[in-house]
Amino acid sequence: DIQMTQSPSSVSASVGDRVTITCRASQGISSWLAWYQQKPGKAPKLLIYAASSLQSGVPSRFSGSGSGTDFTLTISSLQPEDFATYYCQQANSFPLFTFGPGTKVDIK
Amino acid sequence: QLQLQESGPGLVKPSETLSLTCTVSGGSISSSSYYWGWIRQPPGKGLEWIGSIYYSGSTYYNPSLKSRVTISVDTSKNQFSLKLSSVTAADTAVYYCARVVVVPAATDYWGQGTLVTVSS
Repeated sequence: DIQMTQSPSSVSASVGDRVTITCRASQGISSWLAWYQQKPGKAPKLLIYAASSLQSGVPSRFSGSGSGTDFTLTISSLQPEDFATYYCQQANSFPLFTFGPGTKVDIK
Repeated sequence: QLQLQESGPGLVKPSETLSLTCTVSGGSISSSSYYWGWIRQPPGKGLEWIGSIYYSGSTYYNPSLKSRVTISVDTSKNQFSLKLSSVTAADTAVYYCARVVVVPAATDYWGQGTLVTVSS
């Protein structure tokens, strides 16, 4: 089974900050990685697919990069609506998936 | 606009079977472009993929839950369903249904989620 880790587990940041979240897979997954944003009481929302492709309607301040085992999600200028928990998800074992444990972004 | 809606009991007794249905509206469940999945999230914890189904009925289960999970599809009703047997308190969670796009293997639409509590 492919295991996913994320770092940090939480980050405190201010509006306008650049935030980077890292996701690592236990084995190579090519570019089969997605990122999701989840706000309290809501379903996750797809932000990035195929490691670096922006989902339609998602602001361009979100970007993804990486391949193989190491991936990053970057928010270039944090906005108030971006405070949430972010999950990576490997799709190499499609149609089964594994999520990372999540990274909570909160207000400094 | 595609919508997914989970339905089923919010309270299940230990050792019994949890049953949920996801109704898809605004699109066909029988498209070759999609799989359909169930995901759960215990209170305050992360996301766990339970399993996936194709409109043809092909199923794929998380190995950690495989012995207790059954996912089925009813294309005539545009629905798919989850059954989880022999539940314990550890199965208490918000259960989501979702659509998976084959290319690029991402989950683009989710239901709102339904809390299922396992308690006597």
